[in-house]
Amino acid sequence: AQSVTQLDSHVSVSEGTPVLLRCNYSSSYSPSLFWYVQHPNKGLQLLLKYTSAATLVKGINGFEAEFKKSETSFHLTKPSAHMSDAAEYFCVVITGGSYIPTFGRGTSLIVHP
Amino acid sequence: ETGVTQTPRHLVMGMTNKKSLKCEQHLGHNAMYWYKQSAKKPLELMFVYSLEERVENNSVPSRFSPECPNSSHLFLHLHTLQPEDSALYLCASSQEGLGRETQYFGPGTRLLVL
Repeated sequence: AQSVTQLDSHVSVSEGTPVLLRCNYSSSYSPSLFWYVQHPNKGLQLLLKYTSAATLVKGINGFEAEFKKSETSFHLTKPSAHMSDAAEYFCVVITGGSYIPTFGRGTSLIVHP
Repeated sequence: ETGVTQTPRHLVMGMTNKKSLKCEQHLGHNAMYWYKQSAKKPLELMFVYSLEERVENNSVPSRFSPECPNSSHLFLHLHTLQPEDSALYLCASSQEGLGRETQYFGPGTRLLVL
């Protein structure tokens, strides 16, 4: 069984300040974890993924995430928000051996000037 | 054309209509997916095709009928839909359909059922 919880439905930050989007997962074994971003009227785009290699994963546009097995977390961070980061962000888990992803409900990132 | 394309981008249909959504991927992938994205709900995987064979039908009502004639094209045939089927329907593709792969998404078809 697998599940994912995005702890915040909305996160609001000022441009130039750090971003933290939280994700906790549950997986029976060997999870793969992904963060996707969806801009308005667009499809989802992969930001980064963890598939049992390095626990600190760097993605596109300055985003990174750290896989913490002891905390069952995969939080997404960025040191300095940009206006173009405003979008919906989805955390996704796939348990080893499965091809069925489970998506979180999404976190809407709002960036103020 | 690059990536994953979907047509139409918007569709309004009555409950007695029959319509089809089309997805095409230009990435040389072997797996394709249909997802439903409703407001306030997580993305729901509907169907998975790998090498043109359906490998997953995630308890989807029979009023949704997928078709995958080749590895580049995926259709979703719609008939006698309900208003609660109104949603954004997303198509995606991946290299092999092996779960841990990156999926590449199209822009979606926004469907309104009246």
